[in-house]
Amino acid sequence: GESVGLHLPTLSVQEGDNSIINCAYSNSASDYFIWYKQESGKGPQFIIDIRSNMDKRQGQRVTVLLNKTVKHLSLQIAATQPGDSAVYFCADLYNFNKFYFGSGTKLNVKP
Amino acid sequence: GAGVSQTPSNKVTEKGKYVELRCDPISGHTALYWYRQSLGQGPEFLIYFQGTGAADDSGLPNDRFFAVRPEGSVSTLKIQRTERGDSAVYLCASSLGGRSPLHFGNGTRLTVT
Repeated sequence: GESVGLHLPTLSVQEGDNSIINCAYSNSASDYFIWYKQESGKGPQFIIDIRSNMDKRQGQRVTVLLNKTVKHLSLQIAATQPGDSAVYFCADLYNFNKFYFGSGTKLNVKP
Repeated sequence: GAGVSQTPSNKVTEKGKYVELRCDPISGHTALYWYRQSLGQGPEFLIYFQGTGAADDSGLPNDRFFAVRPEGSVSTLKIQRTERGDSAVYLCASSLGGRSPLHFGNGTRLTVT
């Protein structure tokens, strides 16, 4: 099957700094991508999505960048807060009905 | 509105027993997914329903696993003759289908002793 992976398993940032979480995907046919946040004991929570006809999308304090040439996705979090501490997953939609998830990046926000 | 609800939140069973895990999706969501998540890993696809039918069950690990969604809403994941390796968090998600985000429940943590 296809795989979605993350470059850094753990990321530590200072409160107030910007965070960048990276993700590589392998299936060039994937055309829809999602970032999720997962806190301990909870299910993944939707953050932001992007379709392959876009290369950038912004939400509240978050921006997703998509580089289809190198099959790379990133999540930027502005002014990171302690409440942002969690595990972040990217997922890509394969074959129109199956989402593949990476292994996740743990974000630690230091006060 | 109400999100995806999964019951039970925790299930402990003995090796060889049968278990059922229930998922109540968001009302109006036609697509329903089951994923399995082991500690420190991302969710692993098991099965996808569009309406009442299993559109893709390629992620089910073997024939001990089976899922149904008889009326196109609530779904049940059934595991026969449980093994210790089945221990994981089983996540359910629903969506409007296609290129729309999955909305997850908080999962059922299954422990097989």
